[in-house]
Amino acid sequence: GAGVSQTPSNKVTEKGKYVELRCDPISGHTALYWYRQSLGQGPEFLIYFQGTGAADDSGLPNDRFFAVRPEGSVSTLKIQRTERGDSAVYLCASSPRGLLSSGSLGDTQYFGPGTRLTVL
Amino acid sequence: EDQVTQSPEALRLQEGESSSLNCSYTVSGLRGLFWYRQDPGKGPEFLFTLYSAGEEKEKERLKATLTKKESFLHITAPKPEDSATYLCAVHRSGAGSYQLTFGKGTKLSVIP
Repeated sequence: GAGVSQTPSNKVTEKGKYVELRCDPISGHTALYWYRQSLGQGPEFLIYFQGTGAADDSGLPNDRFFAVRPEGSVSTLKIQRTERGDSAVYLCASSPRGLLSSGSLGDTQYFGPGTRLTVL
Repeated sequence: EDQVTQSPEALRLQEGESSSLNCSYTVSGLRGLFWYRQDPGKGPEFLFTLYSAGEEKEKERLKATLTKKESFLHITAPKPEDSATYLCAVHRSGAGSYQLTFGKGTKLSVIP
């Protein structure tokens, strides 16, 4: 079956511009996560959706970052007034349920290929 | 604050030379520890989840083990195709905890 897909694969923008990054999770997965990965670092958590709602957005660095998942499937990460420090690979992951499901072996997060964002 | 430290940062092995990667963690209650493999320009690929000290899991040439403070990823007789960055991540137990906290990874190079 199809894995997590992300578009675009690369995005180059100018400082101050607005960008949208899209994530298509694995069909049927209710949990969706966004992470950001800088060069030489591990992924850093941004936001978690369970269904349509953002259950945890504690990782969003500031109010320039916003994400939506209106129908509980596709998600869009939106960045306003981009800064050079926003340059990174933005990763999306999905899992069948949230990591708090009890009585299961645990919910693995399956990652997409990422969107490489470059802010000039 | 959850912390994950991976060592070494980089490791070069000759093909067939077995070794281990280390992941030390500090977390207030471990829900699960995850190992991922990441190839250049790609997203992390899931390898293992470990839940309790003493647990072991194997997949081909890889075996992951877990203690109360660290996890090891043992690579037996590696091949060049095992070259990648290996990431370790922890999930903290407790209500309201959803995120994985990752280490910086170990970059493994296997030389033919």
